[in-house]
Amino acid sequence: EVQLVQSGAEVKKPGESLKISCKGSGYSFTTYWIGWVRQMPGKGLEWMGIIYPGDSDTRYSPSFQGQVTISADKSISTAYLQWSSLKASDTAMYYCARQRVRGVSYFVYWGQGTLVTVSS
Amino acid sequence: DIQMTQSPSTLSASVGDRVTITCRASQSISSWLAWYQQKPGKAPKLLIYEASSLESGVPSRFSGSGSGTEFTLTISSLQPDDFASYYCQQHSRYSTFGQGTKVEIK
Repeated sequence: EVQLVQSGAEVKKPGESLKISCKGSGYSFTTYWIGWVRQMPGKGLEWMGIIYPGDSDTRYSPSFQGQVTISADKSISTAYLQWSSLKASDTAMYYCARQRVRGVSYFVYWGQGTLVTVSS
Repeated sequence: DIQMTQSPSTLSASVGDRVTITCRASQSISSWLAWYQQKPGKAPKLLIYEASSLESGVPSRFSGSGSGTEFTLTISSLQPDDFASYYCQQHSRYSTFGQGTKVEIK
């Protein structure tokens, strides 16, 4: 069974750094693209970017390029989303999700979400 | 960026109704469109991919159609479990989601 298990909720202050994780299991982690989706409180879904853990090829939405870093450690089947300096506007639920086909595509499997709260 | 515009934003319907949600792309995306259902506090669930292919395990009352710039998601007979939010997603160039459609009980 394919599972994506995300790290727990985080409460941070503006300016702090953060790295959240998404551990894949039940499939070959290196052969499927994994992406991140943001959902701000009461709002819709926003595609942030994807990574291919096999070679770390990464694609970012222009809206998120330079704002976050997507990475993966294939030795522990885990993808990451990180910020170097959080803003209050980063407060949101963040989902990781796995694609079924190569390149930019739709998401078939989803993690449970990680709630990030940024507040002074 | 390719913009995706969903309509309506909110839809009030009754059990048994036929429901149609529209998604329009700002430029042609061929058939590179997916539809998701999301319930409060839950992750989205894939319903339709490549505009009209039903994901395994999804009830056949859900169907998708369209190509180019105009797409529709149809629920042939709305069931109690279908009251949720629905999102389209294009993946022709990068990827963007529509703003969502909330299906409410009338």
